[in-house]
Amino acid sequence: DAGITQSPRHKVTETGTPVTLRCHQTENHRYMYWYRQDPGHGLRLIHYSYGVKDTDKGEVSDGYSVSRSKTEDFLLTLESATSSQTSVYFCAISELVGYTFGSGTRLTVV
Amino acid sequence: DQQVKQNSPSLSVQEGRISILNCDYTNSMFDYFLWYKKYPAEGPTFLISISSIKDKNEDGRFTVFLNKSAKHLSLHIVPSQPGDSAVYFCAARTLIQGAQKLVFGQGTRLTINP
Repeated sequence: DAGITQSPRHKVTETGTPVTLRCHQTENHRYMYWYRQDPGHGLRLIHYSYGVKDTDKGEVSDGYSVSRSKTEDFLLTLESATSSQTSVYFCAISELVGYTFGSGTRLTVV
Repeated sequence: DQQVKQNSPSLSVQEGRISILNCDYTNSMFDYFLWYKKYPAEGPTFLISISSIKDKNEDGRFTVFLNKSAKHLSLHIVPSQPGDSAVYFCAARTLIQGAQKLVFGQGTRLTINP
């Protein structure tokens, strides 16, 4: 087990509210990633981090921000949630080749 | 534009037979290709990978074939077992300033029938 946990596992929120998802890892990995999974789209990269306070955008970053103030925590914030952000969100840490993923957060925006 | 495509949303195979999952890509800069398996309510788990300089990699019942001229890879599972029923994602890797960036296909739902 790579020691990566996501919280919460499920969340329902209202349109227009801010939401923060947390990813926590215990193995001092430098690179961390946020993806979203949607039917017909597979997994798409939202943002990634290559160290504390170092982050960059992925292919679907609009409406999302991230922060990494400690090596072990990578936070994803939906600044003002919209229904199009209803999805399953996965955090990942980099291995030698590929990633290890967390168990996901299912977010529903109503 | 979709750089990695899995054109079959679903596949049904009889237990004990071979399952073949396909994936196409467009970017010649990918240096590794990977397959992930996903069960409901869980995160994707790594299955097998292949370097772009290889044409085959085998791990037990799982073999990945890479055809660079056709920009096509396939995952063979033989023999197929009921526990193989899951969604399979292919992914392609680039390295940018040390960070691995994976681009995923849409996924193929594999169902193994007894």
